[in-house]
Formats: sequence, C-alpha cells, structure tokens
Amino acid sequence: AQRVTQPEKLLSVFKGAPVELKCNYSYSGSPELFWYVQYSRQRLQLLLRHISRESIKGFTADLNKGETSFHLKKPFAQEEDSAMYYCALTRGDDKIIFGKGTRLHILP
Amino acid sequence: EAEVAQSPRYKITEKSQAVAFWCDPISGHATLYWYRQILGQGPELLVQFQDESVVDDSQLPKDRFSAERLKGVDSTLKIQPAELGDSAMYLCASSLQLNTEAFFGQGTRLTVV
Repeated sequence: AQRVTQPEKLLSVFKGAPVELKCNYSYSGSPELFWYVQYSRQRLQLLLRHISRESIKGFTADLNKGETSFHLKKPFAQEEDSAMYYCALTRGDDKIIFGKGTRLHILP
Repeated sequence: EAEVAQSPRYKITEKSQAVAFWCDPISGHATLYWYRQILGQGPELLVQFQDESVVDDSQLPKDRFSAERLKGVDSTLKIQPAELGDSAMYLCASSLQLNTEAFFGQGTRLTVV
C-alpha cells in the first residue's frame, strides 16, 4: 500500500538556519512526489513537484529512490516560511496521498 | 486568478441531521476531489471524479456519505445522518487532469454537536 510518512509534527528553526523537512514514502513503482504548503489563513497550495526539479521560494527537494525519501530543504530559513507543509505522492492513474504534515516554525 | 470555490465556510449541525457542501472547481478542470482533514492530520481522499464519473470512492463511507457531479462541473458532498466523528475540514480540489497539480478551495469546517 502507498504511504507517506512525515516523522516530525513540529520543526522549529532559527531565522537564517538551514531547514530540512523529512518525507519518506512506501510505494513499489515510480511515484510522482509533491510538497504542498499551507500558510496561516490561506488555502493549501502546491509548493513544488519532483518532476519539475525547480527551486521555489528557495526550497528544493530531491527524490532518493534508494532511501524512498523526498526531503524538503532550504539553506536559509525566513520568517515567512512558517507554515504547514505536506508531502504527497501519486502514481499517474491513482489518487494523491498526503502525509500528516509538519508545522515549520521559524524563530526570530 | 481562478480559484476553487466552496460553501459554506463553516457549518454547525446536530448529530443525525443531514448536511451538504458545495464545490465549484476551476473552469475547465476535469478532475475534482473531495478530501476530509481531521485536525492534526493530512487530507484524506474521500472521492475523486473525472468529469461526471467517480474514479475512486474507496474511502467514502457510503452508508452515510454521497457525492455527485451531475454535469461534470460543480459538485455536492452530502452526509446523512451526521455523526460526531464527522467533525472535520472538508476540502475540495480540482486539477486539469488526473493527478496533476491540485488546486484547493478554502474548505468547509464542519462541527457536529
């Protein structure tokens, strides 16, 4: 069965420090992976997807098939990065499955 | 900028009553999703439509939940009768095709008392 695990419910990081939000998945095929973000009082929105290999708002995520991970990283945290982050996966013809989310709190 | 519209934003209902939520996806989006999000957890898919057809409703409690998208545009999710455990945020999302980027609505927060 497909599963997405985000081991940290809350991550507190000082402004300017590096950020890494962990995501591990279980799936036997070739999944497509996403990171979604929800800022305070805003709707859930796509941050990035692994196939585009983009850097969005300074965030990057690399798919590691060997470790079945898709960790989200940013070298220098900013206060506006405080939000709820969800890792999600799908295979092309199947539903999108979300992890439980990690709340990122940037400390001043 | 086009957005997914949901109504109502908040709903309080007594257990055993019926409740309905409405979603209007982004124009042209063939795929529509209903998710339930319990506090502290990620969104859980309830039902997925491709145009007017149900693609996946394996997680929909069919004894009390129903969903329709009659003309392949807007959609309604109904709960009858509501139970205390149904209290959650109900999110609607749409995408151009199956499992491409999903655009979410603001959600309907349901409280069953």
